[in-house]
Amino acid sequence: GENVEQHPSTLSVQEGDSAVIKCTYSDSASNYFPWYKQELGKRPQLIIDIRSNVGEKKDQRIAVTLNKTAKHFSLHITETQPEDSAVYFCAAKRNQGGKLIFGQGTELSVKP
Amino acid sequence: DAGVIQSPRHEVTEMGQEVTLRCKPISGHDYLFWYRQTMMRGLELLIYFNNNVPIDDSGMPEDRFSAKMPNASFSTLKIQPSEPRDSAVYFCASSYRGHEQFFGPGTRLTVL
Repeated sequence: GENVEQHPSTLSVQEGDSAVIKCTYSDSASNYFPWYKQELGKRPQLIIDIRSNVGEKKDQRIAVTLNKTAKHFSLHITETQPEDSAVYFCAAKRNQGGKLIFGQGTELSVKP
Repeated sequence: DAGVIQSPRHEVTEMGQEVTLRCKPISGHDYLFWYRQTMMRGLELLIYFNNNVPIDDSGMPEDRFSAKMPNASFSTLKIQPSEPRDSAVYFCASSYRGHEQFFGPGTRLTVL
């Protein structure tokens, strides 16, 4: 069935370093790949997304890359700051329908 | 717009009692999703609706769970009877045409 694998489950970096989170998906019909950030006790919020006709997308310190052939995509955060500490979820979706398949989440800790 | 609204924000009940969670999606959105989040199982999709019609309820854990969407601005998730293992945070989310999902603040359910 549909599945999204996310790694690592936890990630600790020093402030200013880069962080990379990777996801693989099983459904080759997936063509929309959002990333959500969830701070402690809060709701998940979309931070960036990418569609299958694009290989990379950047928004200030965050970027997402997509490799459709290998069926994997990654989130890159540069110059990390303590406020980047949160759980990050990747997800995948087909064009038809609204169902997102979420990864298991990565708990990012940025140490000052 | 106030965003997705959920009530109650916190619910504490005893095993065997009926629990009803409520959600008001963002006006104009045609998709509505119910998720459950726990440490052990992560973020699970329970059911989703398109134009008030249930599309996929394969994530509903068992017959004790039911969901309705009587109109475009209201949905309920009911658990009857509740059990301690139902304790979790329940999120409602909505989207327009299956694009970005906006999450509500969640309902933290504790079943004693």
